[in-house]
Amino acid sequence: QKEVEQDPGPLSVPEGAIVSLNCTYSNSAFQYFMWYRQYSRKGPELLMYTYSSGNKEDGRFTAQVDKSSKYISLFIRDSQPSDSATYLCAMSRDQGAQKLVFGQGTRLTINP
Amino acid sequence: GAGVSQTPSNKVTEKGKYVELRCDPISGHTALYWYRQSLGQGPEFLIYFQGTGAADDSGLPNDRFFAVRPEGSVSTLKIQRTERGDSAVYLCASRNQEQFFGPGTRLTVL
Repeated sequence: QKEVEQDPGPLSVPEGAIVSLNCTYSNSAFQYFMWYRQYSRKGPELLMYTYSSGNKEDGRFTAQVDKSSKYISLFIRDSQPSDSATYLCAMSRDQGAQKLVFGQGTRLTINP
Repeated sequence: GAGVSQTPSNKVTEKGKYVELRCDPISGHTALYWYRQSLGQGPEFLIYFQGTGAADDSGLPNDRFFAVRPEGSVSTLKIQRTERGDSAVYLCASRNQEQFFGPGTRLTVL
Protein backbone atom coordinates (compact mmCIF):
# COMPACT_ATOMS: atom_id res chain seq x y z
CA GLN A 1 0.00 0.00 0.00
CA LYS A 2 1.29 3.44 -0.93
CA GLU A 3 1.80 6.02 1.81
CA VAL A 4 -0.31 8.53 -0.13
CA GLU A 5 -3.30 7.54 -2.25
CA GLN A 6 -4.84 9.83 -4.83
CA ASP A 7 -7.50 9.03 -7.40
CA PRO A 8 -5.79 9.48 -10.78
CA GLY A 9 -9.02 10.43 -12.54
CA PRO A 10 -9.27 11.65 -15.18
CA LEU A 11 -11.80 14.21 -13.95
CA SER A 12 -13.71 16.35 -16.44
CA VAL A 13 -16.07 19.15 -15.37
CA PRO A 14 -17.73 22.16 -17.04
CA GLU A 15 -16.34 25.65 -16.64
CA GLY A 16 -17.58 27.34 -13.48
CA ALA A 17 -18.05 24.11 -11.53
CA ILE A 18 -16.65 23.49 -8.08
CA VAL A 19 -13.91 20.87 -8.16
CA SER A 20 -12.98 18.65 -5.24
CA LEU A 21 -9.67 16.79 -5.25
CA ASN A 22 -8.69 14.45 -2.45
CA CYS A 23 -5.87 12.39 -0.99
CA THR A 24 -5.65 9.91 1.84
CA TYR A 25 -2.49 8.92 3.65
CA SER A 26 -1.35 6.29 6.09
CA ASN A 27 1.61 7.88 7.91
CA SER A 28 0.39 9.81 10.95
CA ALA A 29 3.79 11.54 11.17
CA PHE A 30 2.95 13.77 8.20
CA GLN A 31 2.35 17.33 9.37
CA TYR A 32 2.90 19.48 6.28
CA PHE A 33 0.57 19.19 3.33
CA MET A 34 0.89 20.68 -0.10
CA TRP A 35 -0.93 20.82 -3.39
CA TYR A 36 1.03 21.20 -6.60
CA ARG A 37 -0.28 21.87 -10.09
CA GLN A 38 1.56 20.38 -13.04
CA TYR A 39 0.94 21.33 -16.64
CA SER A 40 1.93 18.95 -19.39
CA ARG A 41 5.72 18.70 -19.79
CA LYS A 42 6.32 21.18 -16.97
CA GLY A 43 7.55 20.85 -13.40
CA PRO A 44 5.13 20.89 -10.45
CA GLU A 45 4.14 24.36 -9.25
CA LEU A 46 3.22 24.93 -5.59
CA LEU A 47 -0.41 26.03 -5.11
CA MET A 48 -1.17 25.62 -1.43
CA TYR A 49 0.82 24.82 1.71
CA THR A 50 -0.85 23.86 5.00
CA TYR A 51 0.46 22.89 8.38
CA SER A 52 -1.48 20.35 10.47
CA SER A 53 -5.28 20.31 10.46
CA GLY A 54 -7.53 23.10 9.29
CA ASN A 55 -8.47 25.13 6.26
CA LYS A 56 -6.55 27.60 4.15
CA GLU A 57 -8.00 29.78 1.42
CA ASP A 58 -6.22 31.55 -1.43
CA GLY A 59 -8.46 33.13 -4.03
CA ARG A 60 -10.48 30.41 -5.75
CA PHE A 61 -8.54 27.65 -3.98
CA THR A 62 -9.23 26.15 -0.54
CA ALA A 63 -7.13 23.45 1.08
CA GLN A 64 -8.48 21.34 3.92
CA VAL A 65 -6.60 18.95 6.17
CA ASP A 66 -8.25 16.45 8.52
CA LYS A 67 -5.45 14.69 10.35
CA SER A 68 -7.85 12.57 12.41
CA SER A 69 -9.11 10.98 9.18
CA LYS A 70 -5.77 11.23 7.34
CA TYR A 71 -7.57 13.00 4.53
CA ILE A 72 -6.78 16.18 2.64
CA SER A 73 -8.75 18.07 0.02
CA LEU A 74 -8.35 20.86 -2.48
CA PHE A 75 -11.40 22.77 -3.66
CA ILE A 76 -11.39 24.94 -6.76
CA ARG A 77 -14.27 27.39 -7.11
CA ASP A 78 -15.42 28.95 -10.38
CA SER A 79 -13.14 26.59 -12.30
CA GLN A 80 -11.54 27.93 -15.48
CA PRO A 81 -10.18 26.13 -18.57
CA SER A 82 -6.74 27.35 -17.49
CA ASP A 83 -7.11 25.19 -14.37
CA SER A 84 -6.84 22.10 -16.58
CA ALA A 85 -3.74 20.29 -15.34
CA THR A 86 -2.61 17.43 -13.12
CA TYR A 87 -2.97 18.15 -9.42
CA LEU A 88 -0.56 16.46 -7.04
CA CYS A 89 -0.91 16.25 -3.29
CA ALA A 90 2.33 16.05 -1.33
CA MET A 91 3.23 15.79 2.31
CA SER A 92 6.20 15.70 4.65
CA ARG A 93 6.98 15.03 8.28
CA ASP A 94 8.52 18.41 8.96
CA GLN A 95 9.02 21.79 7.40
CA GLY A 96 12.71 21.40 7.12
CA ALA A 97 14.74 18.98 5.15
CA GLN A 98 12.31 16.14 4.76
CA LYS A 99 11.54 14.69 1.38
CA LEU A 100 8.08 15.16 -0.07
CA VAL A 101 5.88 12.11 -0.57
CA PHE A 102 3.51 12.61 -3.49
CA GLY A 103 0.22 11.14 -4.53
CA GLN A 104 -0.22 9.78 -8.03
CA GLY A 105 -1.81 12.98 -9.28
CA THR A 106 -5.33 13.68 -10.58
CA ARG A 107 -5.69 14.78 -14.17
CA LEU A 108 -8.33 17.54 -14.35
CA THR A 109 -9.97 18.98 -17.46
CA ILE A 110 -12.25 22.05 -17.34
CA ASN A 111 -14.47 22.19 -20.40
CA PRO A 112 -15.47 25.63 -21.73
CA GLY B 1 15.23 35.93 -10.28
CA ALA B 2 15.39 32.83 -12.40
CA GLY B 3 13.82 29.60 -11.25
CA VAL B 4 15.35 26.14 -11.11
CA SER B 5 16.81 25.17 -14.45
CA GLN B 6 17.64 21.70 -15.72
CA THR B 7 19.65 20.54 -18.69
CA PRO B 8 19.20 18.87 -21.03
CA SER B 9 15.43 19.09 -21.37
CA ASN B 10 15.42 15.80 -23.24
CA LYS B 11 17.96 13.00 -23.35
CA VAL B 12 17.75 9.87 -25.47
CA THR B 13 20.33 7.20 -24.85
CA GLU B 14 20.91 3.55 -25.47
CA LYS B 15 20.73 0.81 -22.88
CA GLY B 16 24.02 0.44 -21.08
CA LYS B 17 25.22 4.01 -21.63
CA TYR B 18 26.15 6.58 -18.98
CA VAL B 19 24.19 9.83 -18.61
CA GLU B 20 24.53 13.01 -16.60
CA LEU B 21 21.65 15.33 -15.76
CA ARG B 22 22.30 18.83 -14.49
CA CYS B 23 20.36 21.04 -12.10
CA ASP B 24 20.92 24.75 -11.41
CA PRO B 25 18.98 25.70 -8.27
CA ILE B 26 17.57 29.07 -7.35
CA SER B 27 20.40 31.30 -6.17
CA GLY B 28 20.85 31.16 -2.42
CA HIS B 29 18.87 27.94 -1.88
CA THR B 30 21.02 25.59 0.16
CA ALA B 31 18.69 22.58 -0.05
CA LEU B 32 18.43 20.66 -3.33
CA TYR B 33 16.35 17.59 -4.17
CA TRP B 34 16.15 15.10 -7.01
CA TYR B 35 12.93 13.26 -7.81
CA ARG B 36 11.94 10.83 -10.56
CA GLN B 37 8.51 10.90 -12.16
CA SER B 38 7.31 7.97 -14.25
CA LEU B 39 4.43 8.35 -16.68
CA GLY B 40 1.12 8.75 -14.86
CA GLN B 41 2.75 8.80 -11.43
CA GLY B 42 3.70 11.42 -8.89
CA PRO B 43 7.35 12.34 -8.32
CA GLU B 44 9.36 9.91 -6.18
CA PHE B 45 12.19 11.13 -3.99
CA LEU B 46 15.73 10.14 -4.92
CA ILE B 47 18.22 12.24 -2.95
CA TYR B 48 18.49 15.45 -0.93
CA PHE B 49 21.49 17.74 -0.50
CA GLN B 50 22.02 20.28 2.22
CA GLY B 51 24.94 22.33 1.00
CA THR B 52 27.55 20.05 -0.56
CA GLY B 53 26.65 16.89 1.31
CA ALA B 54 23.97 14.33 0.59
CA ALA B 55 21.79 14.43 3.70
CA ASP B 56 19.41 11.70 2.55
CA ASP B 57 20.03 9.34 -0.37
CA SER B 58 17.51 6.73 0.68
CA GLY B 59 15.53 7.07 -2.54
CA LEU B 60 18.30 6.13 -4.93
CA PRO B 61 17.12 2.83 -6.43
CA ASN B 62 20.53 1.12 -6.73
CA ASP B 63 24.22 1.79 -7.00
CA ARG B 64 23.96 2.76 -10.68
CA PHE B 65 22.58 6.11 -9.50
CA PHE B 66 24.58 8.75 -7.70
CA ALA B 67 24.58 12.51 -7.47
CA VAL B 68 27.04 15.23 -6.56
CA ARG B 69 26.93 18.88 -5.59
CA PRO B 70 30.60 19.78 -5.17
CA GLU B 71 30.25 23.52 -4.58
CA GLY B 72 26.86 23.58 -2.93
CA SER B 73 25.06 25.01 -5.94
CA VAL B 74 24.82 23.07 -9.21
CA SER B 75 24.08 19.37 -8.88
CA THR B 76 24.59 16.50 -11.30
CA LEU B 77 22.65 13.25 -11.24
CA LYS B 78 24.67 10.44 -12.80
CA ILE B 79 23.27 7.16 -14.04
CA GLN B 80 25.57 4.33 -15.06
CA ARG B 81 24.69 1.39 -17.31
CA THR B 82 21.26 2.79 -18.07
CA GLU B 83 18.32 0.42 -18.33
CA ARG B 84 15.00 0.84 -20.12
CA GLY B 85 13.29 1.07 -16.74
CA ASP B 86 15.25 4.24 -16.00
CA SER B 87 13.14 6.10 -18.58
CA ALA B 88 11.30 8.85 -16.73
CA VAL B 89 11.28 12.58 -16.08
CA TYR B 90 13.97 13.54 -13.58
CA LEU B 91 12.95 16.58 -11.56
CA CYS B 92 15.15 18.82 -9.47
CA ALA B 93 13.86 21.12 -6.74
CA SER B 94 15.48 23.68 -4.49
CA ARG B 95 14.09 24.99 -1.25
CA ASN B 96 13.93 28.14 0.77
CA GLN B 97 10.77 27.44 2.75
CA GLU B 98 8.94 25.43 0.10
CA GLN B 99 10.33 23.29 -2.69
CA PHE B 100 10.40 24.90 -6.14
CA PHE B 101 10.71 22.51 -9.05
CA GLY B 102 12.51 22.78 -12.34
CA PRO B 103 10.96 21.68 -15.65
CA GLY B 104 12.66 18.29 -15.53
CA THR B 105 14.82 16.26 -17.87
CA ARG B 106 12.94 13.65 -19.89
CA LEU B 107 15.21 10.61 -20.13
CA THR B 108 14.46 7.91 -22.68
CA VAL B 109 16.54 4.72 -22.68
CA LEU B 110 16.17 2.74 -25.88
